Amino acid sequence: DTGVSQNPRHKITKRGQNVTFRCDPISEHNRLYWYRQTLGQGPEFLTYFQNEAQLEKSRLLSDRFSAERPKGSFSTLEIQRTEQGDSAMYLCASSYTEQGITEAFFGQGTRLTVV
Amino acid sequence: QKEVEQNSGPLSVPEGAIASLNCTYSDRGSQSFFWYRQYSGKSPELIMSIYSNGDKEDGRFTAQLNKASQYVSLLIRDSQPSDSATYLCAVRMYGNYQLIWGAGTKLIIKP
Repeated sequence: DTGVSQNPRHKITKRGQNVTFRCDPISEHNRLYWYRQTLGQGPEFLTYFQNEAQLEKSRLLSDRFSAERPKGSFSTLEIQRTEQGDSAMYLCASSYTEQGITEAFFGQGTRLTVV
Repeated sequence: QKEVEQNSGPLSVPEGAIASLNCTYSDRGSQSFFWYRQYSGKSPELIMSIYSNGDKEDGRFTAQLNKASQYVSLLIRDSQPSDSATYLCAVRMYGNYQLIWGAGTKLIIKP
C-alpha cells in the first residue's frame, strides 16, 4: 500500500496524559500536513512540513502540541497534558508540488478520545 | 464572513439524477480548488482538483470554476447511492501552503 498511513487508528486516553501519533506519507511526497477535524466541520490546519523543516504552524496550536519530521520522512504529532477539547480526528496529508499543481492525499486519520 | 462557504445540506437527490454542489470563497488570490468526498467516520478523499476557469470533467464528476464570481461547483451525473457522503470544498491561496476548508455539504442519494 503506497498511500498515507497513520497510527494508531483510535486512541482513548485520560485527561492529562500525553499522546503521540505517527504519520508515514507517500514516499515521494516532500510536503506533509497535520489537520484536526471535529464533527460537522471541515479540517482545521495545524502545521506543515516541507521535507524536515516545519514551515508553518497554526496560531490555534497551543504549546501542548508539537510535531516533528526527522529526516523528512515520517512525522509525529504529540499532545501533552491532553484536555477533553482535544478529542477529534487528527488527519495527516502529504503532497508533491510540481509546476504549481499540488494535490494533498490524506491518511485514514487517528481518532482521539480524551476521557 | 467565512473564507470558504458551503451549504451544509442535507441535499437529497434521486438516484440517476444530477447532484450539484456549490462552494464560494472570499479571497480573490485563491488559485487552487479541490473537492474531497468524506464518508462518515473516514478521512477526506480527493476526487477533483481545478486550477483555471471553466469546466473539468473526470468520469461522472465535473468541476466548474468561476474566479470572477468566486465560486466553484461540483456536478455528479448519474448519482448512485454510493455517492452519499459529505463533500468538502478546499481552497489554496497563492503563496500559502495550507488548504482552507468549507464545512462540507451532506449529499444523500435516494434509491
